[in-house]
Amino acid sequence: GAVVSQHPSRVICKSGTSVKIECRSLDFQATTMFWYRQFPKQSLMLMATSNEGSKATYEQGVEKDKFLINHASLTLSTLTVTSAHPEDSSFYICSARVAGGNNSPLHFGNGTRLTVT
Amino acid sequence: RKEVEQDPGPFNVPEGATVAFNCTYSNSASQSFFWYRQDCRKEPKLLMSVYSSGNEDGRFTAQLNRASQYISLLIRDSKLSDSATYLCVVYNTGFQKLVFGTGTRLLVSP
Repeated sequence: GAVVSQHPSRVICKSGTSVKIECRSLDFQATTMFWYRQFPKQSLMLMATSNEGSKATYEQGVEKDKFLINHASLTLSTLTVTSAHPEDSSFYICSARVAGGNNSPLHFGNGTRLTVT
Repeated sequence: RKEVEQDPGPFNVPEGATVAFNCTYSNSASQSFFWYRQDCRKEPKLLMSVYSSGNEDGRFTAQLNRASQYISLLIRDSKLSDSATYLCVVYNTGFQKLVFGTGTRLLVSP
């Protein structure tokens, strides 16, 4: 069964509004969660690493003020896309490791398909 | 050069066929390798890890060739349900993150 839950699965919003996406670890604690973005026919790109109780680590080229990450508990990380624009339309997926070190596989949430009109 | 490269396909095969995908990686220090499966408009799901000695899980066999820096995935007796995109994933030791290939699309037809 799923070990990472993501909500909502789909959202359509108007340009300029903000959208919050939740990612929850089920039956395990995740001190670290990862947020990816995938554009059509492209590979998953890591946006940021969410760390419980501390600031997120953003990848180069990802605006931290636009993509706000909050990891307030060991089972919940949220990504807020602020002032969304059509170019932000994409598939956003969170992930976490159930166990193991940094080189262990990730388990993904079901993803959020964001469409900004 | 991309860090992880895959033939995008699609690979069109009939049911029952054997099909193989290759994936090359550029970072010789990479330590861990995985194959994920991604269905259309869905999240990736771990198919199998790839071990140095090669490993098998039912109809799926993964191989690692460190000298040539590639990994492979072999699918035997293809099923219609195997139709998906197969993502090659490599752990970048230096940056400590997983790097995903763009995927190879497989279409299995009746």
